[in-house]
This record gives sequence, C-alpha cells and structure tokens, in this order.
Amino acid sequence: GAVVSQHPSRVICKSGTSVKIECRSLDFQATTMFWYRQFPKQSLMLMATSNEGSKATYEQGVEKDKFLINHASLTLSTLTVTSAHPEDSSFYICSASESVTQPQHFGDGTRLSIL
Amino acid sequence: SQQGEEDPQALSIQEGENATMNCSYKTSINNLQWYRQNSGRGLVHLILIRSNEREKHSGRLRVTLDTSKKSSSLLITASRAADTASYFCASIGAGSYQLTFGKGTKLSVIP
Repeated sequence: GAVVSQHPSRVICKSGTSVKIECRSLDFQATTMFWYRQFPKQSLMLMATSNEGSKATYEQGVEKDKFLINHASLTLSTLTVTSAHPEDSSFYICSASESVTQPQHFGDGTRLSIL
Repeated sequence: SQQGEEDPQALSIQEGENATMNCSYKTSINNLQWYRQNSGRGLVHLILIRSNEREKHSGRLRVTLDTSKKSSSLLITASRAADTASYFCASIGAGSYQLTFGKGTKLSVIP
C-alpha cells in the first residue's frame, strides 16, 4: 500500500527556533501534498495544499511567512515553522495523494512542543 | 472550510458488540471517506464511498451514505479491543479536492 513517511515524529525546542518537518511518499509519486494541524482532542484543520513545482495554497488564517512549505519533488514536501513560539505547539500531519481523485495517505504526524 | 459533525463524540462498548458512528456534512460532496487515528498517530484510510453509492462494505466495516440527509454512518461489527481509536469522516466537496474533516468519534472497546 501507499506509504507516507513523516519526520521527525517529535520535536522539543526553545522559543524562536525554526523547525523543519519532512513528508515523503515512499512508493508513489505525490503531485499533491497536504499539511494539517491538530489540537488535542480536536479534528484536523487543513493548513495548506502543496503542489509539486508551484507555490503552496494556504487556508485562510494561516500565515504563509510563518509556515513555509516547499514541494521540490514528487516525493518530498517540507513544512518549516519559522521562529516558533509556544502557541505553535501542536500535532502536525501531512498527507499525500497520487492525484486529486485518489485517497490521501497520511504520515504518522509530528508532535511539536515549543518551550 | 466548515467541519461536519459526528456523533457520538465518544462511545464505549464491550468487545464483540457493534459500534455505530454517524457523520453529517454541509455541502454537496464528491465522496466521503472514513479514517481511523490511534492516539498520537497519523490517520489510516478505512473506506471511501462515492456520492452515487449508498452502501459499501470492507471486512467488518459497513458504511452508508444518505445524500438527501447529508449524512453517513460507519458500522464496525464484532468489535475488538484493537479497534479502540478515534474515527473521523472526511468529505470532498463537489468540484474540490480538499478533505473536510468531521470532529471525530472516540471509540473505546473494553475487553
């Protein structure tokens, strides 16, 4: 089956640090990748849609300068949380699909804790 | 994007019983999908039902879709302790490709 690898699984760092999260499709080419944020005991909120070779599309209320997304290849997208602050602490999950008509396959998430 | 509603928010049952979770959505959809999430993990895709389908089965899972009521249900039969997880429905609107997630149901299956 389609496998999406997300790394790291957990990050603990000081306020002001920038953190990069990687999302890789291991056995398929992902033209589209999605980044979600999930607060404790809540559902997933879409942050942005990433298309290979083009700029990401951000959802309303998501700061694109704060959450930098790069989708440089058909198998890798990265999310960089710049100058992270405690309010950025959350569970970030990526997903990837071969095309917009195919199901999304999710990574295992990254637990980000900013001290 | 608006989120759908799911009920119940939490469900606790004995092993061997059936578990039914419901989901409602707000707009016309292309398809609706159900996902499972174990605590602190990513989502696992369970089943997809298209807007022109009314029922779909996969192993112990049965999904129904009622587009007139904008609702779907997920039935897990003969539940096992390993089914303990949160279950989310997610819809893709007509003409869209983005998933809109429901709030989820936390299922606990007691051995």
